[in-house]
Amino acid sequence: DAGVIQSPRHEVTEMGQEVTLRCKPISGHNSLFWYRQTMMRGLELLIYFNNNVPIDDSGMPEDRFSAKMPNASFSTLKIQPSEPRDSAVYFCASSFRIEQYFGPGTRLTVT
Amino acid sequence: SQKIEQNSEALNIQEGKTATLTCNYTNYSPAYLQWYRQDPGRGPVFLLLIRENEKEKRKERLKVTFDTTLKQSLFHITASQPADSATYLCAPLRNSGGYQKVTFGIGTKLQVIP
Repeated sequence: DAGVIQSPRHEVTEMGQEVTLRCKPISGHNSLFWYRQTMMRGLELLIYFNNNVPIDDSGMPEDRFSAKMPNASFSTLKIQPSEPRDSAVYFCASSFRIEQYFGPGTRLTVT
Repeated sequence: SQKIEQNSEALNIQEGKTATLTCNYTNYSPAYLQWYRQDPGRGPVFLLLIRENEKEKRKERLKVTFDTTLKQSLFHITASQPADSATYLCAPLRNSGGYQKVTFGIGTKLQVIP
């Protein structure tokens, strides 16, 4: 398996623009997680899906963030409108049991 | 609120020595605790999981202990090598609304000096 796939790897956008991050989990995994990582706050859970259903979205910062998982092999995280404070590395991870497998991340810069 | 503390400063050790990283948690009782490794520019990689009823877990040169009384986990790398240089993340899990919710520590950066 190719592992968790994320795109794009890097995204630079201007404040106010819409940003969409994409994730393909490992085939057969039934849980999917979106995280945000910054130097100051470390790795923070944004949202958790199980069998394509959002179970815990308590980490989603505000209404500007939304996530979808239309099927078992694809998820998106959207930020609209983006702000400079959203600049971070966004990771997607999937799991079947407890241990999580992370993608390479998307480095987002909002200017 | 739940809190996880790891050595916030970098840990520098000589090659061949044993590296010991500390993870302390407060205000909750995790059923499991995981350790991950993260290299620059990459996502975290799972290393080990230990359950609350296990005192110690080993995998090759790695050893993890879990003291639920002290609310502490120690992560040891024996015979350390420069290739072990990375950031190590502690990740306790707790039951939250019927699922095991994981929270990651800020990580400890380990530098093994040749």
